[in-house]
Amino acid sequence: DAGVIQSPRHEVTEMGQEVTLRCKPISGHDYLFWYRQTMMRGLELLIYFNNNVPIDDSGMPEDRFSAKMPNASFSTLKIQPSEPRDSAVYFCASSYSGGAGEQYFGPGTRLTVT
Amino acid sequence: AQTVTQSQPEMSVQEAETVTLSCTYDTSENNYYLFWYKQPPSRQMILVIRQEAYKQQNATENRFSVNFQKATKSFSLKISDSQLGDTAMYFCAFWAWGSGSRLTFGEGTQLTVNP
Repeated sequence: DAGVIQSPRHEVTEMGQEVTLRCKPISGHDYLFWYRQTMMRGLELLIYFNNNVPIDDSGMPEDRFSAKMPNASFSTLKIQPSEPRDSAVYFCASSYSGGAGEQYFGPGTRLTVT
Repeated sequence: AQTVTQSQPEMSVQEAETVTLSCTYDTSENNYYLFWYKQPPSRQMILVIRQEAYKQQNATENRFSVNFQKATKSFSLKISDSQLGDTAMYFCAFWAWGSGSRLTFGEGTQLTVNP
């Protein structure tokens, strides 16, 4: 298996622009997680899905952030409009319900908003 | 709610020596799992080792082993024969069946292996 795939690996955009991050989980995994990592706040869980349904989005910072999972093999995290404080590394991770919490992470997307 | 604490923000060790990273946690759950993740400069989060709370035997993966003390809620990671490639941020994480499938992470310990 190729592991969790994220794209793009790097994104540089200007303030006010829309940003879309993409994730393909490991085949057969029924949980998908979006995290954000910054030096100041560490690793934060933004939202997670089970069987394509959002379960907990309490970590989503504000309405500018939205996430979707239209099918079991694809998820997006969208920021509109983007702000410089959104600059961070965004990780996607997946797991399966029989895996006792073991999550597998993608390589991350480094987002820079200027 | 669960909490995970890593009290050592930074550590360093000489190549080929042994180092132990500390982690403590707090929970009222009885059935749970603990993990150590490694994040090297490439930033990829890699699972190093996991421990099931109901198992008394400490988990081992090659040069990596844990010291799991359920009574004191302690979960330390020992790295033997440290290698330069072990330089990374190490995160301790907790998961319980009642946690809604989310992992609770510690703040991380930056380990530097010196030649």
